[in-house]
Amino acid sequence: ETGVTQTPRHLVMGMTNKKSLKCEQHLGHNAMYWYKQSAKKPLELMFVYSLEERVENNSVPSRFSPECPNSSHLFLHLHTLQPEDSALYLCASSQGGQYQETQYFGPGTRLLVL
Amino acid sequence: QKEVEQDPGPLSVPEGAIVSLNCTYSNSAFQYFMWYRQYSRKGPELLMYTYSSGNKEDGRFTAQVDKSSKYISLFIRDSQPSDSATYLCAWGSARQLTFGSGTQLTVLP
Repeated sequence: ETGVTQTPRHLVMGMTNKKSLKCEQHLGHNAMYWYKQSAKKPLELMFVYSLEERVENNSVPSRFSPECPNSSHLFLHLHTLQPEDSALYLCASSQGGQYQETQYFGPGTRLLVL
Repeated sequence: QKEVEQDPGPLSVPEGAIVSLNCTYSNSAFQYFMWYRQYSRKGPELLMYTYSSGNKEDGRFTAQVDKSSKYISLFIRDSQPSDSATYLCAWGSARQLTFGSGTQLTVLP
């Protein structure tokens, strides 16, 4: 595996379900990010982890819970989601935690909440 | 006012045309500027990165930045069907990275 990988690629869940998204980076980076991409809207930064510590949380609802067990892995735990949470969830990584660092994105998880 | 304004398109051009994609921004704190390309069912990939006014060229792609007007452009020369994608502009500072909503481009063979 190379670059940034995400699983699953597609996910359908009910509003009462609990699921997790997984991201893994094979680039030796030490910062990882979760973004939400909705149709016709800009990418929304959700969470930033630098050296496995959360450094940014952009007022994301508590039904989204990130976890970064090490510098290569990032999870997004989902519970009691709403239909408006349906979107493409993108993971990215960079060498450092500064925003001017180039970010490398995974292919995303397409989430549909029914 | 949105921090970043980008025409969503869609934009269709014939193969070989020169494509011009544009974004405007309002935050003077932005220090560096990027263009990302996103193919269908893929994540965005960095295309161009610059932090100064003027032009930066890379093959068929030219990024133009005008800080005084808060305006950036991406020009694609001799466009190819493989350039069909969504193009995202982005601005950043040490504390923030902001994306436009993307312009969907189709290059017709």
